[in-house]
Amino acid sequence: DAKTTQPNSMESNEEEPVHLPCNHSTISGTDYIHWYRQLPSQGPEYVIHGLTSNVNNRMASLAIAEDRKSSTLILHRATLRDAAVYYCILRVANAQKLVFGQGTRLTINP
Amino acid sequence: DTGVSQDPRHKITKRGQNVTFRCDPISEHNRLYWYRQTLGQGPEFLTYFQNEAQLEKSRLLSDRFSAERPKGSFSTLEIQRTEQGDSAMYLCASSSWDSFNNEQFFGPGTRLTVL
Repeated sequence: DAKTTQPNSMESNEEEPVHLPCNHSTISGTDYIHWYRQLPSQGPEYVIHGLTSNVNNRMASLAIAEDRKSSTLILHRATLRDAAVYYCILRVANAQKLVFGQGTRLTINP
Repeated sequence: DTGVSQDPRHKITKRGQNVTFRCDPISEHNRLYWYRQTLGQGPEFLTYFQNEAQLEKSRLLSDRFSAERPKGSFSTLEIQRTEQGDSAMYLCASSSWDSFNNEQFFGPGTRLTVL
């Protein structure tokens, strides 16, 4: 399984943008980049995913480097509810399992 | 539909006892997954079902662990002769075969403590 590297923790302020980085230098051409987050005392929840192009949805944006060796999850305006552990995951096309790393613990200050 | 449900939410047992957990996926989802999460770590994949067929098992799933999904709906995960190292959160997730992104919906988990 291809490996991802994320900072252990990050801190930001409420109503400010947050950029969560992820390095995946061993990514292969068929690996999708997925982001999940886990709020305290809950199971993980899907945030966003992409392959090559940048992606936007109602929760976040995903910026993928041109060489695909890194990506950034962008929360445009953080709220206290966004405090969670964020996981960057590489999923092989047609593979079912998700391989989680340790993720980034995001703290949002009021 | 209320999402993925798991029962019980908490289980305390003594070493050597058997335990069984239940997962009810989202009703139209034909794929079901089990993961295990220890404190401070990300979830680790254990096994995956498509309908009633168990299609993939992790090496983490020792012979003391068995999972079933007899009718392709709910699933059970049994741990025999529990050990203290089995203490963890056991997470169940489900997804639909036609989901373009294989989005997995997770339940709240069952927290197992082995004394």
